Amino acid sequence: KQEVTQIPAALSVPEGENLVLNCSFTDSAIYNLQWFRQDPGKGLTSLLLIQSSQREQTSGRLNASLDKSSGRSTLYIAASQPGDSATYLCAVTGSSASKIIFGSGTRLSIRP
Amino acid sequence: SAVISQKPSRDICQRGTSLTIQCQVDSQVTMMFWYRQQPGQSLTLIATANQGSEATYESGFVIDKFPISRPNLTFSTLTVSNMSPEDSSIYLCSVEPFGNTEAFFGQGTRLTVV
Repeated sequence: KQEVTQIPAALSVPEGENLVLNCSFTDSAIYNLQWFRQDPGKGLTSLLLIQSSQREQTSGRLNASLDKSSGRSTLYIAASQPGDSATYLCAVTGSSASKIIFGSGTRLSIRP
Repeated sequence: SAVISQKPSRDICQRGTSLTIQCQVDSQVTMMFWYRQQPGQSLTLIATANQGSEATYESGFVIDKFPISRPNLTFSTLTVSNMSPEDSSIYLCSVEPFGNTEAFFGQGTRLTVV
């Protein structure tokens, strides 16, 4: 049974810092991995999608990496801004491309 | 990508009543899903909404409590029946467009049962 873990559960850093959020999964037979952002009380916004054959994806100040063999992904945020404050969720789709399993999220706070 | 409209965005309901949540997509999609996010928790899949047939429910969720409709490839509803305070959560609709395994989410429905 796939389990997705995100560490840390919460993170607070001053504005301008670069930071890394971590995601690990127990079953390496995945179809893809997705990073989402969720603002309080709101839905999810897709940030980056990494297919199982890919190693990383980049969008603006965000870079996500995937190491299937070790069951890890990282989300790197460069030059953080207060507007980056949100909960970041990692989600894995199994190899049958069906169910998505979510991590519990990292609550990020960027201090001005 | 897909643009999803979910209604209502929030509601406060009396226990024992039912609420129907609507999910409308701007394009035809293969898969539509309903999730629940309890306070402070991550997302849990309730069911997959199948077009033209009954929904496929996950363990712990039953049709009598969460009836789902999907009359076509762009629309689905989730009903939360006979509500209790334990049903207070955010309910989210998600879709995967044709030929694409990237998941897109609606803005969610924040339900409070009093």
